[in-house]
Amino acid sequence: GDSVTQMEGPVTLSEEAFLTINCTYTATGYPSLFWYVQYPGEGLQLLLKATKADDKGSNKGFEATYRKETTSFHLEKGSVQVSDSAVYFCALGDSNYQLIWGAGTKLIIKP
Amino acid sequence: NAGVTQTPKFQVLKTGQSMTLQCAQDMNHNSMYWYRQDPGMGLRLIYYSASEGTTDKGEVPNGYNVSRLNKREFSLRLESAAPSQTSVYFCASSENPGRVSPLHFGNGTRLTVT
Repeated sequence: GDSVTQMEGPVTLSEEAFLTINCTYTATGYPSLFWYVQYPGEGLQLLLKATKADDKGSNKGFEATYRKETTSFHLEKGSVQVSDSAVYFCALGDSNYQLIWGAGTKLIIKP
Repeated sequence: NAGVTQTPKFQVLKTGQSMTLQCAQDMNHNSMYWYRQDPGMGLRLIYYSASEGTTDKGEVPNGYNVSRLNKREFSLRLESAAPSQTSVYFCASSENPGRVSPLHFGNGTRLTVT
């Protein structure tokens, strides 16, 4: 079946460092791909998405490109801030209602 | 705007007790969802409601029931709680199917079953 694999955390970086959180997927069809973010004590919220191969999603300085050839959707940001500390989830949408979620990657940014 | 409101925020149950988790959204969304979040496992869909009047099983429905009371409200019931149901439960809603529209989440209910 479909699945999503994310790099294990926590990922600890200093402020202004470059961020990459890896996400790879397996799917039989042509899924949409998402990154959601969960700040402490809150529910998840959509960060960005891409619906077809080579699409780039972007929001709040974060970017991810849908790479069909490597089945990847890695999240990147050029210069992280303390306020980016959160848990990041990669997700795959193959059917209309059932998203497949990665395990989440906790990001800690130190000042 | 309140968005998605879940009650209660915390709950402790003994094995065999029952309870209902409440969820309401004020965004006029068509679809609503119940997820559970366990460490290292991401989110797993328990039940969803594509539209008012319909409900369907997700990945892990055993031990749960749901009711889509109206367009705003979607409740989750545990008839006989078990320790394996200790988890954080999230309700979410979306205007259109989750593949197309973003999901909006509540802040979660942390449930402990002893």
